[in-house]
Amino acid sequence: ELKVEQNPLFLSMQEGKNYTIYCNYSTTSDRLYWYRQDPGKSLESLFVLLSNGAVKQEGRLMASLDTKARLSTLHITAAVHDLSATYFCAGEQGGSEKLVFGKGMKLTVNP
Amino acid sequence: DAGITQSPRHKVTETGTPVTLRCHQTENHRYMYWYRQDPGHGLRLIHYSYGVKDTDKGEVSDGYSVSRSKTEDFLLTLESATSSQTSVYFCAISRAGSSETQYFGPGTRLLVL
Repeated sequence: ELKVEQNPLFLSMQEGKNYTIYCNYSTTSDRLYWYRQDPGKSLESLFVLLSNGAVKQEGRLMASLDTKARLSTLHITAAVHDLSATYFCAGEQGGSEKLVFGKGMKLTVNP
Repeated sequence: DAGITQSPRHKVTETGTPVTLRCHQTENHRYMYWYRQDPGHGLRLIHYSYGVKDTDKGEVSDGYSVSRSKTEDFLLTLESATSSQTSVYFCAISRAGSSETQYFGPGTRLLVL
């Protein structure tokens, strides 16, 4: 059974700094998703990574997938306050149409 | 934004009463999902549907049932609500299962007293 772990679960960082957050998963999953959630809101899709070595970038966020290491990273470049949110990664439960979500990482970007 | 609505958006009910939550989509997507979100647990899948009248269980399906009689509607029923079912419930849709992203509805906050 797939388990998805995010690390860290809470992060406070200063504007302008860079940081990488990690998403590890326990069994084979060829697809990895990143979502963003603002307080009291729904989830917004950020990235879909569908193969080993996939890299996607949008603005100050870049996501990558290493299926051999069972690891996805979300790199934040020159953080700004608007990036403050909770970020979830989710993997596909082997061959099913089900996603398993991590517990989410709450990011706070301070001026 | 994907055309997904959930109703009601907020509900307070008492233990032992039945509750039905509705998810409605205008995208004609094949897959629909119900999740619950609780602090410290992220999102957990309750049930999902891969077509009209085709449903399957998720990770936390006990105490919940679902029905999908039309492509656009996916209903989640708590037959006899318990306080442990107090949560935020999200519906999601996907055109092609896990090979494409899921789009989430606005959520329903349910409080069971």
